Amino acid sequence: TQLLEQSPQFLSIQEGENLTVYCNSSSVFSSLQWYRQEPGEGPVLLVTVVTGGEVKKLKRLTFQFGDARKDSSLHITAAQPGDTGLYLCAGAVNNAGNMLTFGGGTRLMVKP
Amino acid sequence: NAGVTQTPKFRILKIGQSMTLQCAQDMNHNYMYWYRQDPGMGLKLIYYSVGAGITDKGEVPNGYNVSRSTTEDFPLRLELAAPSQTSVYFCASSYSGAAFSSYNSPLHFGNGTRLTVT
Repeated sequence: TQLLEQSPQFLSIQEGENLTVYCNSSSVFSSLQWYRQEPGEGPVLLVTVVTGGEVKKLKRLTFQFGDARKDSSLHITAAQPGDTGLYLCAGAVNNAGNMLTFGGGTRLMVKP
Repeated sequence: NAGVTQTPKFRILKIGQSMTLQCAQDMNHNYMYWYRQDPGMGLKLIYYSVGAGITDKGEVPNGYNVSRSTTEDFPLRLELAAPSQTSVYFCASSYSGAAFSSYNSPLHFGNGTRLTVT
């Protein structure tokens, strides 16, 4: 079992549709990061959220950290083919020192 | 800046062989990490280092060894390769640890080494 559960695992949508990806845990995180990974490359950081209830926007992407800091969501408005990739959430637990725990990822395909 | 550089990009090993995966960063980061990524399983931490001369086990350290003789380099050693070690390996670095000031400390990843053990 994974500390961070991401859903859905796979998502295939048409260009222009909206979507939401979820990252859930029973643990409380001091911070949570979202990464995007393209084939053959390493993950690249999109955003970090730290405060419970925090909402951050990155162009068409909206990230929210749950009030209790146990979950997060990523909402994409009007998805584009360039949004295709693997989206990973990663959480830092206060008493886990320097370890960042990753979720299993959501693989998104946006078809033109 | 090159960022985090991993070599080789691909490798096929026979069971029982050994190899070293190389990782170098030029950002003067103190923290370095090795992850493995299996299909549908996200990233699992193998080992990490908070500075030269210091290493610590992550979630899945069995079958691997690391060393950190310099700030720049963090090689990962597989002594007796097993099929269960078939995976994509990612090295990463950060300015500070994951639990501290994450706003200023994202992980910078290399492009990975795809390893197959047959």
